[in-house]
Amino acid sequence: SAVISQKPSRDICQRGTSLTIQCQVDSQVTMMFWYRQQPGQSLTLIATANQGSEATYESGFVIDKFPISRPNLTFSTLTVSNMSPEDSSIYLCSVEDRGYNEQFFGPGTRLTVL
Amino acid sequence: SQQGEEDPQALSIQEGENATMNCSYKTSINNLQWYRQNSGRGLVHLILIRSNEREKHSGRLRVTLDTSKKSSSLLITASRAADTASYFCATDLNDYKLSFGAGTTVTVRA
Repeated sequence: SAVISQKPSRDICQRGTSLTIQCQVDSQVTMMFWYRQQPGQSLTLIATANQGSEATYESGFVIDKFPISRPNLTFSTLTVSNMSPEDSSIYLCSVEDRGYNEQFFGPGTRLTVL
Repeated sequence: SQQGEEDPQALSIQEGENATMNCSYKTSINNLQWYRQNSGRGLVHLILIRSNEREKHSGRLRVTLDTSKKSSSLLITASRAADTASYFCATDLNDYKLSFGAGTTVTVRA
Protein backbone atom coordinates (compact mmCIF):
# COMPACT_ATOMS: atom_id res chain seq x y z
CA SER A 1 0.00 0.00 0.00
CA ALA A 2 1.00 3.62 -0.45
CA VAL A 3 3.06 5.23 2.30
CA ILE A 4 1.56 8.55 3.37
CA SER A 5 3.20 11.21 5.50
CA GLN A 6 1.79 14.40 6.94
CA LYS A 7 3.41 17.54 8.28
CA PRO A 8 3.14 18.81 10.91
CA SER A 9 2.12 15.91 13.13
CA ARG A 10 0.68 18.35 15.64
CA ASP A 11 0.47 22.05 16.26
CA ILE A 12 -0.96 24.54 18.71
CA CYS A 13 -2.16 27.75 17.09
CA GLN A 14 -3.72 31.01 18.11
CA ARG A 15 -7.21 31.91 16.97
CA GLY A 16 -7.36 34.00 13.85
CA THR A 17 -4.25 32.47 12.33
CA SER A 18 -3.96 29.89 9.53
CA LEU A 19 -2.16 26.57 9.32
CA THR A 20 -1.17 24.64 6.21
CA ILE A 21 -0.98 20.86 6.46
CA GLN A 22 1.03 18.88 3.94
CA CYS A 23 0.31 15.38 2.70
CA GLN A 24 2.97 13.46 0.76
CA VAL A 25 2.50 10.05 -0.87
CA ASP A 26 5.33 7.81 -2.00
CA SER A 27 3.61 6.93 -5.26
CA GLN A 28 1.33 8.60 -7.77
CA VAL A 29 -2.32 8.29 -6.81
CA THR A 30 -5.42 9.52 -8.57
CA MET A 31 -7.75 10.01 -5.65
CA MET A 32 -6.75 12.01 -2.59
CA PHE A 33 -9.04 13.20 0.19
CA TRP A 34 -9.02 15.31 3.35
CA TYR A 35 -10.97 14.32 6.46
CA ARG A 36 -11.57 15.93 9.83
CA GLN A 37 -11.99 14.13 13.13
CA GLN A 38 -13.29 16.34 15.90
CA PRO A 39 -12.50 15.34 19.50
CA GLY A 40 -14.21 12.08 20.42
CA GLN A 41 -15.97 11.93 17.07
CA SER A 42 -15.77 9.95 13.87
CA LEU A 43 -14.29 11.13 10.59
CA THR A 44 -16.02 13.54 8.23
CA LEU A 45 -14.97 14.12 4.64
CA ILE A 46 -13.95 17.72 3.97
CA ALA A 47 -13.12 17.55 0.27
CA THR A 48 -11.66 15.65 -2.63
CA ALA A 49 -8.31 17.08 -3.73
CA ASN A 50 -8.30 17.12 -7.52
CA GLN A 51 -5.02 17.28 -9.38
CA GLY A 52 -4.83 20.33 -11.58
CA SER A 53 -8.27 21.69 -10.69
CA GLU A 54 -10.23 23.06 -7.77
CA ALA A 55 -11.07 20.74 -4.91
CA THR A 56 -14.59 19.36 -4.54
CA TYR A 57 -16.02 20.26 -1.13
CA GLU A 58 -18.63 18.41 0.89
CA SER A 59 -21.66 20.08 2.36
CA GLY A 60 -20.68 22.32 5.26
CA PHE A 61 -17.14 22.95 4.07
CA VAL A 62 -16.08 25.90 1.90
CA ILE A 63 -12.98 26.84 -0.01
CA ASP A 64 -12.44 30.10 1.86
CA LYS A 65 -12.13 28.23 5.14
CA PHE A 66 -10.30 25.13 3.86
CA PRO A 67 -8.35 25.97 0.70
CA ILE A 68 -6.73 22.89 -0.83
CA SER A 69 -3.95 22.55 -3.35
CA ARG A 70 -2.97 19.49 -5.36
CA PRO A 71 -0.12 20.42 -7.68
CA ASN A 72 0.73 16.83 -8.65
CA LEU A 73 -0.25 13.20 -8.08
CA THR A 74 1.86 12.75 -4.94
CA PHE A 75 1.25 15.90 -2.90
CA SER A 76 -1.57 17.99 -1.45
CA THR A 77 -2.01 20.71 1.14
CA LEU A 78 -4.96 21.69 3.29
CA THR A 79 -5.06 25.11 4.91
CA VAL A 80 -7.26 25.79 7.90
CA SER A 81 -7.91 29.53 7.71
CA ASN A 82 -8.85 32.08 10.34
CA MET A 83 -8.90 29.40 12.99
CA SER A 84 -11.16 29.25 16.00
CA PRO A 85 -11.17 26.75 18.90
CA GLU A 86 -13.90 24.83 17.06
CA ASP A 87 -11.32 23.91 14.43
CA SER A 88 -9.39 21.87 16.99
CA SER A 89 -9.39 18.42 15.40
CA ILE A 90 -7.28 15.77 13.81
CA TYR A 91 -6.95 16.36 10.08
CA LEU A 92 -6.17 13.33 7.93
CA CYS A 93 -5.42 12.87 4.28
CA SER A 94 -6.23 9.65 2.50
CA VAL A 95 -5.60 8.09 -0.87
CA GLU A 96 -7.31 5.44 -2.92
CA ASP A 97 -4.54 3.15 -3.96
CA ARG A 98 -4.09 1.02 -7.06
CA GLY A 99 -7.67 1.11 -8.22
CA TYR A 100 -8.83 -1.54 -5.77
CA ASN A 101 -10.98 0.90 -3.80
CA GLU A 102 -8.97 0.42 -0.62
CA GLN A 103 -8.39 3.79 0.99
CA PHE A 104 -5.34 4.42 3.14
CA PHE A 105 -4.83 7.22 5.62
CA GLY A 106 -1.94 9.34 6.70
CA PRO A 107 -0.94 9.57 10.36
CA GLY A 108 -2.98 12.72 10.88
CA THR A 109 -2.26 16.24 12.09
CA ARG A 110 -3.52 17.05 15.57
CA LEU A 111 -4.47 20.72 15.68
CA THR A 112 -5.28 22.63 18.84
CA VAL A 113 -6.53 26.20 18.54
CA LEU A 114 -6.35 28.40 21.62
CA SER B 1 -23.61 12.90 7.07
CA GLN B 2 -22.66 9.60 8.63
CA GLN B 3 -24.26 6.64 6.97
CA GLY B 4 -23.00 3.98 9.36
CA GLU B 5 -23.95 3.25 12.91
CA GLU B 6 -21.85 1.00 15.06
CA ASP B 7 -22.82 -1.19 17.91
CA PRO B 8 -21.76 -1.41 20.66
CA GLN B 9 -20.19 1.99 21.32
CA ALA B 10 -17.76 0.38 23.74
CA LEU B 11 -16.62 -3.15 24.48
CA SER B 12 -14.41 -4.48 27.27
CA ILE B 13 -13.12 -8.03 27.06
CA GLN B 14 -10.51 -10.27 28.61
CA GLU B 15 -7.38 -11.12 26.68
CA GLY B 16 -7.98 -14.27 24.66
CA GLU B 17 -11.69 -13.67 24.24
CA ASN B 18 -13.38 -12.79 20.96
CA ALA B 19 -14.73 -9.34 20.19
CA THR B 20 -17.62 -8.71 17.83
CA MET B 21 -18.83 -5.33 16.65
CA ASN B 22 -21.55 -4.46 14.18
CA CYS B 23 -22.09 -1.76 11.60
CA SER B 24 -25.38 -0.84 9.99
CA TYR B 25 -25.85 1.49 7.05
CA LYS B 26 -28.71 3.08 5.18
CA THR B 27 -28.16 3.02 1.42
CA SER B 28 -26.73 0.60 -1.11
CA ILE B 29 -22.96 0.47 -1.11
CA ASN B 30 -20.10 -0.47 -3.40
CA ASN B 31 -17.92 -1.68 -0.57
CA LEU B 32 -17.43 -1.41 3.18
CA GLN B 33 -14.08 -0.97 4.88
CA TRP B 34 -13.01 -1.51 8.47
CA TYR B 35 -10.32 0.55 10.16
CA ARG B 36 -8.52 0.58 13.49
CA GLN B 37 -7.38 3.74 15.26
CA ASN B 38 -5.06 3.69 18.25
CA SER B 39 -5.27 6.62 20.68
CA GLY B 40 -6.31 9.27 18.14
CA ARG B 41 -3.59 8.45 15.66
CA GLY B 42 -3.95 7.64 11.98
CA LEU B 43 -6.30 4.98 10.72
CA VAL B 44 -5.02 1.51 9.89
CA HIS B 45 -6.87 -0.24 7.07
CA LEU B 46 -8.05 -3.69 8.15
CA ILE B 47 -10.34 -5.19 5.52
CA LEU B 48 -12.39 -4.15 2.50
CA ILE B 49 -15.44 -6.23 1.65
CA ARG B 50 -17.31 -5.65 -1.60
CA SER B 51 -21.06 -5.64 -1.98
CA ASN B 52 -21.00 -9.00 -3.78
CA GLU B 53 -18.99 -10.67 -1.01
CA ARG B 54 -20.41 -12.19 2.15
CA GLU B 55 -17.35 -12.95 4.25
CA LYS B 56 -13.62 -12.18 4.32
CA HIS B 57 -10.81 -13.19 6.60
CA SER B 58 -7.49 -11.62 7.44
CA GLY B 59 -5.46 -13.26 10.19
CA ARG B 60 -7.55 -13.06 13.37
CA LEU B 61 -10.14 -10.84 11.72
CA ARG B 62 -13.37 -11.99 10.13
CA VAL B 63 -15.75 -9.61 8.41
CA THR B 64 -19.24 -10.44 7.22
CA LEU B 65 -21.57 -8.42 5.05
CA ASP B 66 -25.33 -8.83 4.75
CA THR B 67 -26.57 -6.45 2.07
CA SER B 68 -30.20 -7.47 2.62
CA LYS B 69 -29.97 -6.23 6.21
CA LYS B 70 -27.52 -3.46 5.33
CA SER B 71 -25.16 -4.59 8.05
CA SER B 72 -21.62 -5.81 8.58
CA SER B 73 -19.79 -7.34 11.49
CA LEU B 74 -16.14 -7.47 12.51
CA LEU B 75 -14.95 -10.35 14.66
CA ILE B 76 -11.56 -10.29 16.34
CA THR B 77 -10.61 -13.72 17.63
CA ALA B 78 -8.21 -14.47 20.49
CA SER B 79 -7.88 -10.82 21.39
CA ARG B 80 -4.61 -9.30 22.60
CA ALA B 81 -3.81 -6.16 24.55
CA ALA B 82 -2.55 -4.63 21.30
CA ASP B 83 -6.09 -4.89 19.89
CA THR B 84 -7.17 -2.12 22.28
CA ALA B 85 -8.30 0.62 19.90
CA SER B 86 -11.27 2.24 18.25
CA TYR B 87 -12.72 0.43 15.25
CA PHE B 88 -14.61 2.18 12.48
CA CYS B 89 -16.63 0.97 9.55
CA ALA B 90 -16.76 3.14 6.45
CA THR B 91 -19.04 2.77 3.47
CA ASP B 92 -18.22 3.66 -0.11
CA LEU B 93 -21.20 4.50 -2.28
CA ASN B 94 -19.16 3.96 -5.47
CA ASP B 95 -17.57 7.38 -5.56
CA TYR B 96 -14.57 6.69 -3.29
CA LYS B 97 -15.97 9.05 -0.65
CA LEU B 98 -16.10 7.22 2.66
CA SER B 99 -18.86 7.73 5.18
CA PHE B 100 -17.77 6.63 8.64
CA GLY B 101 -19.68 5.11 11.50
CA ALA B 102 -19.35 6.45 15.03
CA GLY B 103 -16.90 3.72 16.00
CA THR B 104 -16.58 1.04 18.66
CA THR B 105 -14.00 1.45 21.40
CA VAL B 106 -12.51 -1.91 22.34
CA THR B 107 -10.55 -2.42 25.54
CA VAL B 108 -8.72 -5.71 26.02
CA ARG B 109 -7.89 -6.43 29.66
CA ALA B 110 -4.80 -8.42 30.52
